[in-house]
Amino acid sequence: SQQGEEDPQALSIQEGENATMNCSYKTSINNLQWYRQNSGRGLVHLILIRSNEREKHSGRLRVTLDTSKKSSSLLITASRAADTASYFCATDAVIQGAQKLVFGQGTRLTINP
Amino acid sequence: AAGVIQSPRHLIKEKRETATLKCYPIPRHDTVYWYQQGPGQDPQFLISFYEKMQSDKGSIPDRFSAQQFSDYHSELNMSSLELGDSALYFCASSLLRPLGYEQYFGPGTRLTVT
Repeated sequence: SQQGEEDPQALSIQEGENATMNCSYKTSINNLQWYRQNSGRGLVHLILIRSNEREKHSGRLRVTLDTSKKSSSLLITASRAADTASYFCATDAVIQGAQKLVFGQGTRLTINP
Repeated sequence: AAGVIQSPRHLIKEKRETATLKCYPIPRHDTVYWYQQGPGQDPQFLISFYEKMQSDKGSIPDRFSAQQFSDYHSELNMSSLELGDSALYFCASSLLRPLGYEQYFGPGTRLTVT
């Protein structure tokens, strides 16, 4: 079954509002990453948070990680129309000596002007 | 800064044909990953290579094979193509060591099988 699951699957908000997306996973991880994808385009790495970190900031992005609950959240503050995209969390684990990313289903974020 | 390069960007093939996708990782990156993303789906891990050796295998069909060459570029070979193989294929590269790497993705190859 999938490692990362995201909630909500779709989110539509007004420009200027904050957007929060959640991700849950099932197994132990080394780190968790968030990616952004515009429709039909490549994945863009946003932020990585290690398993021993609880919160990380990058510009308008704030990521939290709760390893006891196996969950993470991505907060985008002061949203802009250009933030419209799909956002994926991906968990990283070492399996039999090899590292692998497993992606969640993604949250489709729409920012309405 | 140099990014991951994938070629071709778009490819149209007919059923039962063969396709080869190429990936050129970021210089000095030692690990290459391949992902498949179907329409409206999340990316699915296919296979990875570390220092030219296969390091992990995901949901890659037996009809597909891949390798990493001495210059670290990688090729994904897909034979007996099926309609369901139509998808975006992403390559990513990273430095495997130390742990806590970031994978950098290429723009993807959009494969359409007709």
